[in-house]
Amino acid sequence: EVQLVESGGGLVQPGGSLRLSCAASGFTFSRHSMNWVRQAPGKGLEWVSYISSSSDSKYYADSVKGRFTISRDNAKNSLYLQMNSLRDEDTAVYYCARRENSGYEFDYWGQGTLVTVSS
Amino acid sequence: EIVLTQSPAFQSVTPKERVTITCRASQSIGSSLHWYQQKPDQSPKLLIKYASQSISGVPSRFSGSGSGTDFTLTINSLEAEDAAAYYCHQSSSLPYTFGQGTKLEI
Repeated sequence: EVQLVESGGGLVQPGGSLRLSCAASGFTFSRHSMNWVRQAPGKGLEWVSYISSSSDSKYYADSVKGRFTISRDNAKNSLYLQMNSLRDEDTAVYYCARRENSGYEFDYWGQGTLVTVSS
Repeated sequence: EIVLTQSPAFQSVTPKERVTITCRASQSIGSSLHWYQQKPDQSPKLLIKYASQSISGVPSRFSGSGSGTDFTLTINSLEAEDAAAYYCHQSSSLPYTFGQGTKLEI
């Protein structure tokens, strides 16, 4: 069974940093590109970042470019999101989502981890 | 950036009704359009991929159509468990984008 489990969320002050993790199991993690998608309270979905299976390609939404860094450790079946210079508007539930091997849809999602940026 | 505009934003419906949700892209995206269902306090779930391709385990009452800029998600014979928010998503070009969502109240 495919499982994606996020962790690392919490309360942080504006300007602070946080590192999110996503532990993957039930599939060959190293063969799949991965994404982070967030959802502000009561709002819709916003794509945040993408990383290819071998980490050679990384992309970011303009809203987080220069502040967030996506990475992965295929040996540990883990995906990460380092978030620096956090702003109030970064408050959201952050989901990791797997991209299907032969396509570009997000076929599995984690349960999400809540990040709250507030003083 | 490709903007996806969904309509309606909210719809109150009754069981067994047929529901249509539309998603319009700001430029042609071929068939690179996917639909997700998000129930309250749950993560999104893939419903339809590439505009019209069904997903294993998803009830057959869900179907999708369209190409280019105009897409439709249809739910036939709505059931109470279909109360959720529905989002379209384009993977034609980065940045990936989502529609603003359609909330179905049953």
